[in-house]
Amino acid sequence: LAKTTQPISMDSYEGQEVNITCSHNNIATNDYITWYQQFPSQGPRFIIQGYKTKVTNEVASLFIPADRKSSTLSLPRVSLSDTAVYYCLVGVFLGVGNNAGNMLTFGGGTRLMVKP
Amino acid sequence: GAVVSQHPSRVICKSGTSVKIECRSLDFQATTMFWYRQFPKQSLMLMATSNEGSKATYEQGVEKDKFLINHASLTLSTLTVTSAHPEDSSFYICSARKAGSSYEQYFGPGTRLTVT
Repeated sequence: LAKTTQPISMDSYEGQEVNITCSHNNIATNDYITWYQQFPSQGPRFIIQGYKTKVTNEVASLFIPADRKSSTLSLPRVSLSDTAVYYCLVGVFLGVGNNAGNMLTFGGGTRLMVKP
Repeated sequence: GAVVSQHPSRVICKSGTSVKIECRSLDFQATTMFWYRQFPKQSLMLMATSNEGSKATYEQGVEKDKFLINHASLTLSTLTVTSAHPEDSSFYICSARKAGSSYEQYFGPGTRLTVT
């Protein structure tokens, strides 16, 4: 199973770009990389997903090197409202009824604190 | 699109009673739904996988007779915490896998259970 490792916490200031890196050395060929954001007492919210190279959407970018053993979530110009826990998940659902897919395993996440 | 709802959002019950939590996919069909539990300042822990029309698959250490899961339709799964005790107090989150997708998982807003 592709275990993920992220920094426990990060601090930033409003307006800065924040990059959170996740290590997943044992990523498998069919695994995708997905990032979620979670605020206190809320369910995780999908941010971005990718397989390789770079993916960009309206809220973030995801950089994945050629070996796919790590990925970096980039949040441009963060604001106070971006203070949250960010989770990196790696894996794929292996079929109906099979919950062995690592996509379902949450690591510790990174607690991002954005300061004024 | 891809909205998952949970009901109730928070519930307080007395020790020994049972509580039912509903998870609904509002605008898509979900052949598989997942139930997580999250204690304060901790990550999400998968409790069980719920498959429409079949028995749920429980993670190791989760009592299936205590946490009853029913997935009667492609848009509804329920989790019933039977004979609840204070140690069952937690944040329960469901997610739904979009039918036909191997990677898309959408989370509900969570249910805060407090057992007194």
